[in-house]
Amino acid sequence: DSGVTQTPKHLITATGQRVTLRCSPRSGDLSVYWYQQSLDQGLQFLIQYYNGEERAKGNILERFSAQQFPDLHSELNLSSLELGDSALYFCASSVGQGVAKNIQYFGAGTRLSVL
Amino acid sequence: GIQVEQSPPDLILQEGANSTLRCNFSDSVNNLQWFHQNPWGQLINLFYIPSGTKQNGRLSATTVATERYSLLYISSSQTTDSGVYFCAVVPTSGTYKYIFGTGTRLKVLA
Repeated sequence: DSGVTQTPKHLITATGQRVTLRCSPRSGDLSVYWYQQSLDQGLQFLIQYYNGEERAKGNILERFSAQQFPDLHSELNLSSLELGDSALYFCASSVGQGVAKNIQYFGAGTRLSVL
Repeated sequence: GIQVEQSPPDLILQEGANSTLRCNFSDSVNNLQWFHQNPWGQLINLFYIPSGTKQNGRLSATTVATERYSLLYISSSQTTDSGVYFCAVVPTSGTYKYIFGTGTRLKVLA
């Protein structure tokens, strides 16, 4: 058990809908990272938050947004869903703000299916 | 941007065999991790190894940062080693994000 908790484990929804994925980092970790893993794109970094502030942005679509709350949990919001958004979404956490020299620990992921 | 290539892409072993997985990266890095994604999809940290050699049980890893590669050794493989092995790097220059390789899919047969 990595100590990173993601909910829900599975999510099935329809095109055009909006969903929220939730992540609780390991105790003491201030950074949260979101990743998308799809069959054709592999593992792609989406966004990082550190202590409530956006720290780095990757290949995140404008239809997607995230935030980190004062209790350090994070939510990833996906809207106007398309079939291609079906993927495994991972959250990871680490102690520091920079990815360099920091070890990331991953949650079990949320499997999103858009029908 | 940095390219991260893993080889071989697929590997089938008999239980008890040894294997070496390779990760090549095209630019200097200051962070490298190896992960195992099990058949249930969970990503498990194996090693944080930006340079040097580490061992953990039947697994060991070596990163030669100056030559831009890392190796993961699996000895006496077991069926539970099956899954996909990823290396992920953080380039020294540019972005604060992990770049994942395409992975090596390992199947260990009983």
